[in-house]
Amino acid sequence: GESVGLHLPTLSVQEGDNSIINCAYSNSASDYFIWYKQESGKGPQFIIDIRSNMDKRQGQRVTVLLNKTVKHLSLQIAATQPGDSAVYFCAENTGGSYIPTFGRGTSLIVHP
Amino acid sequence: GAVVSQHPSWVICKSGTSVKIECRSLDFQATTMFWYRQFPKQSLMLMATSNEGSKATYEQGVEKDKFLINHASLTLSTLTVTSAHPEDSSFYICSARDRHYGYTFGSGTRLTVV
Repeated sequence: GESVGLHLPTLSVQEGDNSIINCAYSNSASDYFIWYKQESGKGPQFIIDIRSNMDKRQGQRVTVLLNKTVKHLSLQIAATQPGDSAVYFCAENTGGSYIPTFGRGTSLIVHP
Repeated sequence: GAVVSQHPSWVICKSGTSVKIECRSLDFQATTMFWYRQFPKQSLMLMATSNEGSKATYEQGVEKDKFLINHASLTLSTLTVTSAHPEDSSFYICSARDRHYGYTFGSGTRLTVV
């Protein structure tokens, strides 16, 4: 049966607002980080990535910030749209391993 | 970009039967593919790494005789859930790594065992 686990944290925003999704990672040796978006009933989709030698990277409407001191990663989505509603996962890779380890995930709900 | 196709997208089977899930890399070759399991409102948990032409590597706690993995070609890996039981009901997702596009996921398979 279903294993016991934490419920996904949820972030609710209004359409047009900026969203910030946070992630704490555990392995100080991780050197590559990825954000994925997972819509209901689908597999994860790559959004943006960042290597540990950077602290910020921007994409289209998305920005990832990395704070290695406190092992924290955030995803900022500008002008959030209803189509952004999904579960967002951060994932970390440790040097030499190309298999990402997934974080807990955050459910983003965008209200029109 | 790299595309990973997973089939079927959903399946309902009777308890005690076996179910096969296919994962194909459509426009690239993948010597390694990965199988994940995801329970509702939870994260993805890596089950095993599928290696073309050799045995799969299973994560701790995953029964290799229960979840049979075959990676017979550079574009196809299959996961067979043998003697399925209701507790095997879950969302199964495969992925493959392309050297240009990175880590790409399939669309997932919703397995319901009744």
